[in-house]
Amino acid sequence: DGGITQSPKYLFRKEGQNVTLSCEQNLNHDAMYWYRQDPGQGLRLIYYSQIVNDFQKGDIAEGYSVSREKKESFPLTVTSAQKNPTAFYLCASSSLNYEQYFGPGTRLTVT
Amino acid sequence: GENVEQHPSTLSVQEGDSAVIKCTYSDSASNYFPWYKQELGKGPQLIIDIRSNVGEKKDQRIAVTLNKTAKHFSLHITETQPEDSAVYFCAASTDTGRRALTFGSGTRLQVQP
Repeated sequence: DGGITQSPKYLFRKEGQNVTLSCEQNLNHDAMYWYRQDPGQGLRLIYYSQIVNDFQKGDIAEGYSVSREKKESFPLTVTSAQKNPTAFYLCASSSLNYEQYFGPGTRLTVT
Repeated sequence: GENVEQHPSTLSVQEGDSAVIKCTYSDSASNYFPWYKQELGKGPQLIIDIRSNVGEKKDQRIAVTLNKTAKHFSLHITETQPEDSAVYFCAASTDTGRRALTFGSGTRLQVQP
């Protein structure tokens, strides 16, 4: 069964703690992306990676970090430096012909 | 960078009517324009896309049109059904550089039975 998986679906953390969100794909896609979605708003790009061991900052990278050690995996760490971390986080992947497919998302709540 | 504006923010139609959602973009280099449907609590689902060498594309009840000169593109849903109720997002990207999507702010479509 091909697709993108994100875990966990819901995540709760205390302020000041780092947290890592998982994203795995078995679509053999080269590129992977992380977006953030706030209530009633569109998606904003956090980080992206077009090839293993390389990644670039998106529009709102401050307070986040990523790694791309394997083609299938692109984990996102939300650090304590992120001022407003509570949001819905979406991972996506694509091949070189553009179509971008999204995972089911992780809803992070920080209190 | 690219900026995508989407209208309207909410749209209510009667079942069987048509729905039209419009987007404009700012970067003339953008050449790929997908539309996504997002249901509550789920990830966006790609429903149709269009590339800049095409003016219109249809898939059953869904169609997308693109006007490169005016830098706008639209989603048309005909014979709407209650299951079409969701939030729809337009997006734009280029085939060079980061290739990541810039999204519109979304349209909440409500189809009244």
